[in-house]
Amino acid sequence: QQLLQESGPGLQKPSETLSLTCTVSSDSISSSNYYWGWIRQPPGKGLEWIGNIYYSGSTYYNPSLKSRVTISLHTSIKQLSLKLTSVTAADTALYYCVRLWSWAFDIWGQGTMVTVSS
Amino acid sequence: QSALTQPASVSGSPGQSITISCTGTSSDVGAYNYVSWYQQHPGKAPKLMIYDVSTRPSGVSSRFSGSKSGNTASLTISGLQAEDEADYYCSSYTTSTTMAFGGGTKLTVL
Repeated sequence: QQLLQESGPGLQKPSETLSLTCTVSSDSISSSNYYWGWIRQPPGKGLEWIGNIYYSGSTYYNPSLKSRVTISLHTSIKQLSLKLTSVTAADTALYYCVRLWSWAFDIWGQGTMVTVSS
Repeated sequence: QSALTQPASVSGSPGQSITISCTGTSSDVGAYNYVSWYQQHPGKAPKLMIYDVSTRPSGVSSRFSGSKSGNTASLTISGLQAEDEADYYCSSYTTSTTMAFGGGTKLTVL
C-alpha cells in the first residue's frame, strides 16, 4: 500500500488556484518525528522544493513561491494539502507529496501531473 | 538556477567507481550535516539513497556512499552496475530553514 497518494485536477487554467491533496496511509502524520511537504518537477527538469509543514502547523516555504503557496496539514483525516494561486504555464509539473525525516525526503508519493493551459 | 551545483552528467563502465559532487555554500552544505542524495529512474519517483551526509537507509546497497568536505558533498557509487543508470540529486537543509536541491546529474553506465 502506498503511504502517500496525491490527487489533483490534472488540468488547470492560467490565473486559477491549484489545489492538491495527499492522503497519508499512516498515523505518523501526527508524529513529532516528521515534517511533510511538497516537491515539484517540471517535465524534463530537476526537482524544486515547494515547502514543508510540521505537525504543529509551522510552515516553511521556498522564497520564490512563498507569496503564492499555502500548505496545510489535516491530521484528523490524514491529509496534506497544497494551494498555489495565480498559476501560469511555468507551474506545469509533476507534484510530489513527501515525508521528511532528519531533513531528508524519505518517503515519496507517486506524484500527480498538473498541466496549466487554457 | 539551482541552489546547489552538480555536474550535468557523469559516466562509467560496469565495475568502476564514480563520484558525483554537490557544491553549495556555508549557508547550506557547509552549515549542517544534513545532505541527502536521491536516485530517480525514468518515470519513477525519486528514492532516498543517502541522508545525514553519509548514512544509508535500510535496503540501500553498500556500494553507495556519501561524504562531505567544506561546502562540497559527494556521492560515490562503487562497482557500477547497469541498474545504477539514473538521475541523481543532492539536497541540503539551509540556514534559512529551507531545503535546497542540486540541478541533478545524469549517470550513464557505458
